[in-house]
Formats: sequence, structure tokens, C-alpha cells
Amino acid sequence: DQQVKQNSPSLSVQEGRISILNCDYTNSMFDYFLWYKKYPAEGPTFLISISSIKDKNEDGRFTVFLNKSAKHLSLHIVPSQPGDSAVYFCAASEGGSEKLVFGKGMKLTVNP
Amino acid sequence: NAGVTQTPKFQVLKTGQSMTLQCAQDMNHEYMSWYRQDPGMGLRLIHYSVGAGITDQGEVPNGYNVSRSTTEDFPLRLLSAAPSQTSVYFCASSYSGIGEGQPQHFGDGTRLSIL
Repeated sequence: DQQVKQNSPSLSVQEGRISILNCDYTNSMFDYFLWYKKYPAEGPTFLISISSIKDKNEDGRFTVFLNKSAKHLSLHIVPSQPGDSAVYFCAASEGGSEKLVFGKGMKLTVNP
Repeated sequence: NAGVTQTPKFQVLKTGQSMTLQCAQDMNHEYMSWYRQDPGMGLRLIHYSVGAGITDQGEVPNGYNVSRSTTEDFPLRLLSAAPSQTSVYFCASSYSGIGEGQPQHFGDGTRLSIL
């Protein structure tokens, strides 16, 4: 039973436009949500996070939105750049749990 | 600044062989973990440790052993390799436990093939 779902395997956008990556979860006990970016042959790198007491967190070009009632979060990248082309993973954890649950990932391609 | 270092980067094993994947971090992080990534499966937690001498199981622990004798090192042992353990393995660490949303630093992975 997959607790964190990234239902779209890929997304292609033009440079300068907005990229919206979606993530759904089933466990209402999740308190923290993180996004990681991964380039080929490298390990994931942390991008941005949000706790369940917030509905928005912003860091430069990256904004994460959380809708707890819908159990849905999204990552917005504005403007998108070719260097953003990577696989993006959504991950979640329960407060007090030391286990992080990842989605399957979504491949973002930003075309010049 | 090395961060999280995994060795080896690539390895081919035969079924039944044993092997230890090494992971070391130089950031004095308390929390360390091992994940495996399979095609279309995302990352799945194998084992984790919240400090030296303390380890616990993750989502997919069967077939793997870990120990944490020092803060810096967290080796992953395959006692009798099986083809189902063919995967890319990532080690990660964070300053403290991830229970409060602490982000992790990942190594670049070990690509393991078992024939």
C-alpha cells in the first residue's frame, strides 16, 4: 500500500514557464513533507520542506503548497530552468517517527 | 568537505556471496540510514540508526544487517546475496533524527548487481 503517491511519472515544460509537481498521501498522521531532487548517477539532494502546521513554504524559485484536507501537496518552480531537469521525489514522515516514506518520483524535463 | 561517502560505487556479486557496503559521514550526524532504489519504486528504507549503538528496521530489512559502532560509519551487510537484491543503494545522514522533518544528506549510491 503506497502511502505517498506521485501519479504522473514525467513532466515536460518550457524554460521560463512554471513547473507544478504533485504529490498525494494517504496517511493522515504525516507531519512533515520534503521534496528531494535527483540527477542521474548522484544521490538525492534536499530541496524544500513543509510541516503540517503550514500551508505554504517558499524558498527562492521553489514553493511548496500543502492541502491537508485533500492530503495533497505540490511543488511549484517559477521560472523553470534547464538545470531543473531531474527526478523529483516527494517524501513524508510522522512526527516522532524516524522513518521517511518516499514517492516513486517524477522526471521533470525543462526544454530550452 | 566529503559529506556522505559510499564505497564501492559499483559491484557485481554471485548469488550466495556476502558483501558489506560501506558508508561514512564526516558531519558528526547522529542519524544515518540505508535506502534501496529500484526502477519505478522510489526509495525504500532498509535500516536506520539514531546514534552509535542503536539501529532499527525500516520498510524492507529482510536479507540485510547493520551495525553502528561509531558515529561516522554505518555499514550495510548482505549475508547471502540474492538476485532480488540487485538495486541501487543509498546511504543518508542528518544532524538529528528525522522525526521533526530534518532533511538528510545522501551519498552518491552503490550500484549492486547480483547474478
